[in-house]
Amino acid sequence: QITLKESGPTLVKPTQTLTLTCTFSGFSLSTSGVGVGWIRQPPGKALEWLALIYWDDDKRYSPSLKSRLTITKDTSKNQVVLTMTNMDPVDTATYYCAHTRYGVHFDYWGQGTLVTVSS
Amino acid sequence: DIQMTQSPSSVSASVGDRVTITCRASQGISSWLAWYQQKPGKAPKLLIYAASSLQSGVPSRFSGSGSGTDFTLTISSLQPEDFATYYCQQANSFPVAFGQGTKVEIK
Repeated sequence: QITLKESGPTLVKPTQTLTLTCTFSGFSLSTSGVGVGWIRQPPGKALEWLALIYWDDDKRYSPSLKSRLTITKDTSKNQVVLTMTNMDPVDTATYYCAHTRYGVHFDYWGQGTLVTVSS
Repeated sequence: DIQMTQSPSSVSASVGDRVTITCRASQGISSWLAWYQQKPGKAPKLLIYAASSLQSGVPSRFSGSGSGTDFTLTISSLQPEDFATYYCQQANSFPVAFGQGTKVEIK
């Protein structure tokens, strides 16, 4: 059974760096074809893809946010970490991590974590 | 970058109705399209991948079709649990892109 869960701060101040951790079980990020992505959703708005890391450490980023994002994995801990620098109130959103395999559609999602950016 | 446009943005329907949602890609994506269902306060749920492949456990009243730039999600007989927001997503190339969503509401 594949599960994912996001963790991190619920409130960050403008200009601070956000660090989110996705802890998963039921699969290994060393298995060929497997990837973990991050997607966010501002309140009442649509989904926005942020980043994706594959089993072979191939990393992909949203071009509009690439300069602010870093995605890494710790295979031994079954974790993927996303950092986003220079946070702004417009970055207030629910952040999801999700599993993919042999493609770029996401078949398992975490429950999401709401991050509010406010001073 | 590929842009995804869904229509309509919302639809009012009754239980038992047939509902069709369309998704258009700004350039051809072959059959690399996924559909998700999202209920309030919940994570999205994958319904369809590769344009027409039903994800395991998803009821057969959901179906997807299309290729190239034009795609359709059809709910053959709307059930009470189907009232939700639906998103398409192109999976052809990076960056990944989602549509703006279609809300299916009770008539």
